[in-house]
Amino acid sequence: QSALAQPASVSGSPGQSITISCTETSSDVGSYNLVSWYQQHPGKAPKLMIYEGSERPSGVSNRFSGSKSGNTASLTISGLQAEDEADYYCCSYAGSDTYVFGPGTRVTVL
Amino acid sequence: QVQLVESGGGVVQPGRSLRLSCAASGFTFSSYAMHWVRQAPGKGLEWVAIISYDGRNKYYPDSVKGRFTISRDNSKNTLSLQMNSLRPEDTALYYCASLKGTGPDYWGQGTLVTVSS
Repeated sequence: QSALAQPASVSGSPGQSITISCTETSSDVGSYNLVSWYQQHPGKAPKLMIYEGSERPSGVSNRFSGSKSGNTASLTISGLQAEDEADYYCCSYAGSDTYVFGPGTRVTVL
Repeated sequence: QVQLVESGGGVVQPGRSLRLSCAASGFTFSSYAMHWVRQAPGKGLEWVAIISYDGRNKYYPDSVKGRFTISRDNSKNTLSLQMNSLRPEDTALYYCASLKGTGPDYWGQGTLVTVSS
């Protein structure tokens, strides 16, 4: 089954931009355009931030954007704010009606 | 408003069974595939199961295949997860969810399953 790799942690100062990568580590890249990104604060359920690689749900700040290059999807947070400190997970369709989450990235606002 | 409310979690011994339920409201439950996603304490999210909108198709990752069974009752807007042969590594908060890609994106607050002797 497909597997996704994310950096364990990323940090930045308020106002800066940071990028979190999500790299597919298997050969099944055919459905990679279906990457979603979730934000999770401690003790809370995950919140969808980006879907289909670059689409933003209604109500999500335009400081969040998604992109893809090759077998790597990325989430960029611009104008970093204290409230952005959270865990972020990528999620991809892995073929054969299965899904996979990345291991998660802890974002720290310095 | 949309609500997904999980129940059925608790403490269970290794090798025993447990059945989780999820009551859905506020959206057309019968139109969308549904998922279970779990999160071990202090760990990341793990996708556990998917069931098609009509209940005909079900898929699982290798970690739970053959032990877990997902089902749904569209007449009662209820999703279930039957978990057999439980292992300590199944200890987690179990979320009921409708994920973007198979429908709107909704999550419950989770129900905690602890597998321990």
